[in-house]
Amino acid sequence: DAGVIQSPRHEVTEMGQEVTLRCKLISGHNSLFWYRQTMMRGLELLIYFNNNVPIDDSGMPEDRFSAKMPNASFSTLKIQPSEPRDSAVYFCASSLALQGRRITEAFFGQGTRLTVV
Amino acid sequence: QQQVKQSPQSLIVQKGGISIINCAYENTAFDYFPWYQQFPGKGPALLIAIRPDVSEKKEGRFTISFNKSAKQFSLHIMDSQPGDSATYFCAARAYQKVTFGTGTKLQVIP
Repeated sequence: DAGVIQSPRHEVTEMGQEVTLRCKLISGHNSLFWYRQTMMRGLELLIYFNNNVPIDDSGMPEDRFSAKMPNASFSTLKIQPSEPRDSAVYFCASSLALQGRRITEAFFGQGTRLTVV
Repeated sequence: QQQVKQSPQSLIVQKGGISIINCAYENTAFDYFPWYQQFPGKGPALLIAIRPDVSEKKEGRFTISFNKSAKQFSLHIMDSQPGDSATYFCAARAYQKVTFGTGTKLQVIP
């Protein structure tokens, strides 16, 4: 099992550009979580999905942020336009849940370090 | 609003010593309390977890103590080793949402 796979591992972009972060869930998992980690704010939950459906996006900071699950095993987090304050490490995590109850722990990917200059 | 408060922010312990990290929560809807370990350049990984109907859980050198009435829980690392040097996060889960503490950077010196 390859675990949760995130790409790219590092991204440097200019302010105003669109950034797309990608995440592949562990096979068989049906819940997907996007987190942002910064020194100032720690680990923040941005959004999570169950069975491809967004359940809670209250952590998404602004309309510039959007997340999708085009299929059961893949998700994207898009920032458009990006700003320097978006610089952080973005993690996705996956787990298995049945009827709203988590069956497995959340397994994290290795993260994408985003730098917006 | 910080729903899970964690202290200390950093900790230096000698090899063989006991590392203690403390957390407190406010939301009584939390029903599961995991601890995560994170090494540089890696994602957090589950270390040990406890449910509020248990006052203590031990796995090897790692022990969680849980005080439901005080809404506090702590991680004890016995016989701390240099390989334990990492950042540790306490967390609390309600339904599927996990709220993390701010993290404790542990350094175990030989």
